[in-house]
Amino acid sequence: AQSVTQLDSQVPVFEEAPVELRCNYSSSVSVYLFWYVQYPNQGLQLLLKYLSGSTLVKGINGFEAEFNKSQTSFHLRKPSVHISDTAEYFCAVSERGYSTLTFGKGTMLLVSP
Amino acid sequence: DTAVSQTPKYLVTQMGNDKSIKCEQNLGHDTMYWYKQDSKKFLKIMFSYNNKELIINETVPNRFSPKSPDKAHLNLHINSLELGDSAVYFCASSQKAVNYGYTFGSGTRLTVV
Repeated sequence: AQSVTQLDSQVPVFEEAPVELRCNYSSSVSVYLFWYVQYPNQGLQLLLKYLSGSTLVKGINGFEAEFNKSQTSFHLRKPSVHISDTAEYFCAVSERGYSTLTFGKGTMLLVSP
Repeated sequence: DTAVSQTPKYLVTQMGNDKSIKCEQNLGHDTMYWYKQDSKKFLKIMFSYNNKELIINETVPNRFSPKSPDKAHLNLHINSLELGDSAVYFCASSQKAVNYGYTFGSGTRLTVV
């Protein structure tokens, strides 16, 4: 069975600074990888996904993530964050051929002025 | 037009009561899900339906019963509510293959007192 580890429960950062949110996964088969964002009191919104092909994936709101198969990682990055990026970020994995997403425990990104 | 809509958004009820949460999607997706998000923001799948048929039933007390009258609707009925059922419940939908990711509803915050 697959699993996801988000090592940081909270990441504080100043506005306009770069940020990286870490995600590692475990699976015995090929996977699809996703990042979702949850703003306060809202549902989850898809930021980006990796299915195959280029390991660098670009998403919405200036975020990108890089799939590293050898390190089983899918870290999320943004070169310059805004106050409005303050939210909970979830990494998720699905084994190919299945439709169920397994989520990590989330990382709270706190952007301050 | 809301793609995945859940009602109610908030639900406060006493222990021992029975309550239902409704979910509807207008995306034409084949598969629908219920996830539970606990107080630590951890998301765990409860059920998955594909074209009205139950395909995933995780270790959930049998007080929880999903019902899918058609592929656009997936309701969650909870009997004999307990304090530990307090959480945010998210409905989601996807195409049968997970490639496109899930579309989430905005959640139902259930508080059992």
